[in-house]
Formats: sequence, C-alpha cells, structure tokens
Amino acid sequence: NAGVTQTPKFRILKIGQSMTLQCAQDMNHNYMYWYRQDPGMGLKLIYYSVGAGITDKGEVPNGYNVSRSTTEDFPLRLELAAPSQTSVYFCASSYDGGRNTIYFGEGSWLTVV
Amino acid sequence: GEDVEQSLFLSVREGDSSVINCTYTDSSSTYLYWYKQEPGAGLQLLTYIFSNMDMKQDQRLTVLLNKKDKHLSLRIADTQTGDSAIYFCAESPNAGNNRKLIWGLGTSLAVNP
Repeated sequence: NAGVTQTPKFRILKIGQSMTLQCAQDMNHNYMYWYRQDPGMGLKLIYYSVGAGITDKGEVPNGYNVSRSTTEDFPLRLELAAPSQTSVYFCASSYDGGRNTIYFGEGSWLTVV
Repeated sequence: GEDVEQSLFLSVREGDSSVINCTYTDSSSTYLYWYKQEPGAGLQLLTYIFSNMDMKQDQRLTVLLNKKDKHLSLRIADTQTGDSAIYFCAESPNAGNNRKLIWGLGTSLAVNP
C-alpha cells in the first residue's frame, strides 16, 4: 500500500551543493510530477513526465533537472542549490493526464542555507 | 491570465458547517477539484466536479458550482476536529489536462472544539 514514496523527508543543504530528491510510485502510473510549495503560495509545477523516457518543463523548471528511466521512478536533481530553492517538494503521479486522481507523496522539506 | 482565488483562513466550531469558497477565471475549465492537505502530509483528492454539473454530494461533502459566476464552494457538514487542514481548489482547463492544473493558495480550516 505504498503509493508515492519520496525521500528524504527533510534535508538541509549549503548554497552551491547538489542533491537528488527520490520519488517512486508502485501504481503503474504513466504520469509523474514534481511540485514545489512555498509558504503562502499555491503549488507550482516544476517538471512532469508522461511516461518512461519522456520529461517536460512545468512552470518553474530553472535550477532543476529530472529523468524518467523507468515507469516507477522520477528523481528530481537540484544543481548548485540556492536559498530560493528552500521549499517543500511534492512528487505526484496519476494514471493519465486527464481527470484521474493525482496521488501525492508526503513531501520533502528542503532548506538551503 | 488564469487564476484561482480562495480565502486564506476559516475558523468554525465543531459540529457547525464549513463553507470554503473558490473563484476561478478560465471559463474553459472542465474539471474542478478540492484537495485536502493535513499537517505534514501531501495532498489528497477529496472530490471533483465536472463543469456540466451544478452540485455533487458525497457524504458530508457538498460541492456547488456556479459556472456563470465561476464560483466553486465546498461545504462540510457537521465539521469535526479531524477536518482541520488546508483545502486547495484547483481547476483543470484544456479538457482535464493535469499538466495544466491551476491551484489556489489554499484555505486553512481551523475547527474549534
């Protein structure tokens, strides 16, 4: 009954460091998404993927990279972390891109100092 | 541009009804959603309504859609302390395309015993 699993849950990074947020889903969903949620702001889409080997930019892709080598995994890479990337990151998945429910992970709290 | 607006806070007494309101701007929106986010957790889909419906009821939840005024509301009957959470309204323009979901900032519901 795992659903969407994100790791790590909490991380503190120094400016300029890099890291990867891991995301895995076990529902055989084609679509996967990375969102960030800043205090007092709505969700912003960073990147999404419609299937293995296919990724595309969302609203706020700068400073991030993704890959989708398998259906299950959709890691988000932060290169050269900046304080502006301090946020809560949510990975999500859905069966397709239509009206089907989007399932969210529990979130990853990232602080860049 | 496309926008979804919600009031940020709502406080009710346990047992009362809660009404959370949302306005949206894209008249082509075909699906409108309500998601719930409990503290420290990801978002969970509560309910959604298709744009050709005026009302949808699901146990304690009633969704009302006024397409003319582009107004969506979520009524929670007999509100319980477990309903304390942030409620997000989201609209899906482009025929239910999850990649283009537009999120409100969320309404924080506080239920007082």
